[in-house]
Amino acid sequence: EPEVTQTPSHQVTQMGQEVILRCVPISNHLYFYWYRQILGQKVEFLVSFYNNEISEKSEIFDDQFSVERPDGSNFTLKIRSTKLEDSAMYFCASRTVPTSYEQYFGPGTRLTVT
Amino acid sequence: SQELEQSPQSLIVQEGKNLTINCTSSKTLYGLYWYKQKYGEGLIFLMMLQKGGEEKSHEKITAKLDEKKQQSSLHITASQPSHAGIYLCGADRKGAGGTSYGKLTFGQGTILTVHP
Repeated sequence: EPEVTQTPSHQVTQMGQEVILRCVPISNHLYFYWYRQILGQKVEFLVSFYNNEISEKSEIFDDQFSVERPDGSNFTLKIRSTKLEDSAMYFCASRTVPTSYEQYFGPGTRLTVT
Repeated sequence: SQELEQSPQSLIVQEGKNLTINCTSSKTLYGLYWYKQKYGEGLIFLMMLQKGGEEKSHEKITAKLDEKKQQSSLHITASQPSHAGIYLCGADRKGAGGTSYGKLTFGQGTILTVHP
């Protein structure tokens, strides 16, 4: 069964460093997403990406964040200068339309900023 | 303000018992998603409801969306320890152009414990 994959599963970085989180969405999906979940809190939407551009982003997704689909399979989230408050679980998700609006999530990358 | 509220926040049941988790939206929904999450892990897709009055089932789990598309319930029949986890509802609302890009807003989750 097709699934969304994410690497790495856990990333530890120092404050101020750049990190890139990687995702491989399900192959025939057209919409891609990043969400995050701070420990003990709700899952929060960060950004949606369709047709090689950002379709929607949240207030959290400021200039420190960027997304890219560098090739036909990968979808990346870059945080330019990490802060302590960026520590969270980051989930990638993907969806296909128009036959189905089902949105599937990856296993997540736990980012720890020290 | 809470846009999506789940109840109860936690639930402890004995194996074999039925249970219901509710999800209420302050706004009309374009779609309502149910996911299950194990602590520290990813979200597993359960069901998605889009039409008012719609009901879907998968194994022993049934989800319904009310006619007004503002409230959904998730019902588990004859619960098993494997059903334990955190159940999340996610709301998809139409954007300004009348379509959805799939941005989901989540409730706070319901923690389900099933005692054998």
